[in-house]
Amino acid sequence: TQLLEQSPQFLSIQEGENLTVYCNSSSVFSSLQWYRQEPGEGPVLLVTVVTGGEVKKLKRLTFQFGDARKDSSLHITAAQPGDTGLYLCAGVYSPPGNTPLVFGKGTRLSVIA
Amino acid sequence: DAMVIQNPRYQVTQFGKPVTLSCSQTLNHNVMYWYQQKSSQAPKLLFHYYDKDFNNEADTPDNFQSRRPNTSFCFLDIRSPGLGDAAMYLCATSPDRYNEQFFGPGTRLTVL
Repeated sequence: TQLLEQSPQFLSIQEGENLTVYCNSSSVFSSLQWYRQEPGEGPVLLVTVVTGGEVKKLKRLTFQFGDARKDSSLHITAAQPGDTGLYLCAGVYSPPGNTPLVFGKGTRLSVIA
Repeated sequence: DAMVIQNPRYQVTQFGKPVTLSCSQTLNHNVMYWYQQKSSQAPKLLFHYYDKDFNNEADTPDNFQSRRPNTSFCFLDIRSPGLGDAAMYLCATSPDRYNEQFFGPGTRLTVL
């Protein structure tokens, strides 16, 4: 059972386009992280959201945590080839479970110049 | 810079030949994790150490073992690698058990 559903699984877009990827669950999370992973490398933390309804911006990336803390979205404005990678969401259950951090399967983004 | 280091970056072993992967951190974090990641899949947690307290995931095969001799170092031992164990192995750390995690660059394991 995949407890964090990410969509879409794959996304291929042209440079300059906007995109949104989603991370959904039926469970409540006390915090949720977004990571980007490039081929052959480990995931790199982009952001942590902890408050329902919270919006965080990181340059052209906008992250939102759902009001009920069950879902999150990542919006990229004017995508660039350097944004290419696997985007993973990961959450800490509320209350915490045995597994410290639960990962989604990721969205593989390809930005074509 | 504070970081998580994994050695080697690439490891080739033979079927059934024991192999050890290493991870070190300069972040002074209490928790260290080992994940297995296969192509196009999410990282799968194998086990983690909270200080010296070892926590094994229920579905981690007995073939996988870990050691944490001190705060800075953690090792993953695969006693008898099978072809299905070929994967990227990721080490991560966090200040406490339910915090955001910081990953190393990974070790790509090939089993011949």
